[in-house]
Amino acid sequence: KQEVTQIPAALSVPEGENLVLNCSFTDSAIYNLQWFRQDPGKGLTSLLLIQSSQREQTSGRLNASLDKSSGRSTLYIAASQPGDSATYLCAVDDGDKIIFGKGTRLHILP
Amino acid sequence: EAGVTQFPSHSVIEKGQTVTLRCDPISGHDNLYWYRRVMGKEIKFLLHFVKESKQDESGMPNNRFLAERTGGTYSTLKVQPAELEDSGVYFCASSQDEAGATNEKLFFGSGTQLSVL
Repeated sequence: KQEVTQIPAALSVPEGENLVLNCSFTDSAIYNLQWFRQDPGKGLTSLLLIQSSQREQTSGRLNASLDKSSGRSTLYIAASQPGDSATYLCAVDDGDKIIFGKGTRLHILP
Repeated sequence: EAGVTQFPSHSVIEKGQTVTLRCDPISGHDNLYWYRRVMGKEIKFLLHFVKESKQDESGMPNNRFLAERTGGTYSTLKVQPAELEDSGVYFCASSQDEAGATNEKLFFGSGTQLSVL
């Protein structure tokens, strides 16, 4: 049974710092992995989608990596800004279902 | 292009009442998914429609939950009768091809915050 774990559960960093969010999954047989952000009271916004054959994807200040064999993904945020404060969710698609982690609550300190 | 829309955005009901949540997927998306996030826990899959057919409803918690997608367009999720533990955020998502297809992304709605008192 696929399980997705995100560490840390919460993170506070000063504005301007680079940071890494971690996601691990137990079954490497995945189709893709997706990172989302959720803002308080709002829905989910897709940030990056990495196919199982890919190693990383980049969008602006965001870079997501995927190491399928070790069951790990990271989301790197460069030069963090207060607007980056949100909950970040990692989701694994095993071809049948999308399984989400519990998320990392990120707070960027002005 | 309109995104996935959900109604209502918030619903507060009393235990025992009935609530119906609605999801309008992106036009042309055959695949529609319902997810639920209970406070403090991870988002969990409820069910998956392909057009009007239920492809997978293994995540539905019990028979108080009924999902429909008549005509393969919008979907409704009815909870009857609602219980306290049903409180949470209900998300709907859609995709053109089935999740797992190459380059396929899920597009999520803003969710419905359900509070059962």
